[in-house]
Amino acid sequence: AQTVTQSQPEMSVQEAETVTLSCTYDTSESNYYLFWYKQPPSRQMILVIRQEAYKQQNATENRFSVNFQKAAKSFSLKISDSQLGDTAMYFCAFMKLRTGAQKLVFGQGTRLTINP
Amino acid sequence: KAGVTQTPRYLIKTRGQQVTLSCSPISGHRSVSWYQQTPGQGLQFLFEYFSETQRNKGNFPGRFSGRQFSNSRSEMNVSTLELGDSALYLCASSFGGATTYEQYFGPGTRLTVT
Repeated sequence: AQTVTQSQPEMSVQEAETVTLSCTYDTSESNYYLFWYKQPPSRQMILVIRQEAYKQQNATENRFSVNFQKAAKSFSLKISDSQLGDTAMYFCAFMKLRTGAQKLVFGQGTRLTINP
Repeated sequence: KAGVTQTPRYLIKTRGQQVTLSCSPISGHRSVSWYQQTPGQGLQFLFEYFSETQRNKGNFPGRFSGRQFSNSRSEMNVSTLELGDSALYLCASSFGGATTYEQYFGPGTRLTVT
């Protein structure tokens, strides 16, 4: 079974700073996807970024980028120039790359607060 | 394009009752997954439906069931409710194919069991 661990329950930074959220996972699979989801106080889960395990290049979406270290099974999220709207719970998630296995395994989440 | 919708948004039920939650996926999406979110257990996968068939199931008791209709809309049913079933129930949709894996979530249904 796959497990996802987020070791930082809470983080807090000042607006415009850069922040990195950590995620490690455990799997015996070689092909999989990794995701970061954001859940603001409104509770709507929003997809932030995804990474295919077979791709060596780290994914980037505007101010959001990941540092994917496959051998170390590490998948951190970096938020640059943080904004007040980035305040949310952030969940790291794993999915096996196999038809019929569309099941996300989530970490426990990191509560991120951006202070003005 | 409209997002994933879930109804109702809030629900209060009594122990022993049953409840049905509904999820309408993004147009064109054929896969619907359900997740339970609680403060203690976090986000846990319930089941996934694709083309009206349950394709994947999590470790939940048989009181939790679901179905999917020909228009890809899905319902989730919980029978004989227990206090521990109080949670946010999230539905997510995706194309469900072999090369597309992103899941898009609805706003959730907050179920309170008293």
